Amino acid sequence: DTGVSQDPRHKITKRGQNVTFRCDPISEHNRLYWYRQTLGQGPEFLTYFQNEAQLEKSRLLSDRFSAERPKGSFSTLEIQRTEQGDSAMYLCASNPTGGRGNTIYFGEGSWLTVV
Amino acid sequence: RKEVEQDPGPFNVPEGATVAFNCTYSNSASQSFFWYRQDCRKEPKLLMSVYSSGNEDGRFTAQLNRASQYISLLIRDSKLSDSATYLCVVNSGGTASKLTFGTGTRLQVTL
Repeated sequence: DTGVSQDPRHKITKRGQNVTFRCDPISEHNRLYWYRQTLGQGPEFLTYFQNEAQLEKSRLLSDRFSAERPKGSFSTLEIQRTEQGDSAMYLCASNPTGGRGNTIYFGEGSWLTVV
Repeated sequence: RKEVEQDPGPFNVPEGATVAFNCTYSNSASQSFFWYRQDCRKEPKLLMSVYSSGNEDGRFTAQLNRASQYISLLIRDSKLSDSATYLCVVNSGGTASKLTFGTGTRLQVTL
């Protein structure tokens, strides 16, 4: 399978704990995006990378959230001191620079439940 | 006002029916437009891009009206397998694909 891969697919954590999600984009896609989707809403943009550079962050990305893409390949999204409001599906997506129509390709998502 | 607005539905239609979804967007500088399909608890998948001239892919037709900032999706001869949430998506992000999604319109096709 050469699609966008995310791990773990499901995570249940206690409030206050830290969690980390990993995303492996489609090979040779130099742009990588993180989105968050809560129940009944569409995905919301969090941040994106071009290669290893984080070029934009949404205001939704509070200081408890940090994303990295150290070698320009896989990326991690860490949430510190989780809150119940962080419960959501975290979606990773990728595309190549100048991709056709700027289409992005999503992974299957990582579901987070904070209890 | 949300940047992309859709009627959340649900739209309940019988198999074989024609159904239309509408969407409006607020940013007149938006450059690219899409419809994504999302099945329950799955990731969104691109259904089709939307062009000013209108475009068709089998039973699906998409239209864009830049003057009215309005996007539509028409599904003809609905199948049970069309049951899903349809997300209207706009790219206002310049060179990067910073997509803004509507809340989605849920479609349920019944026998």
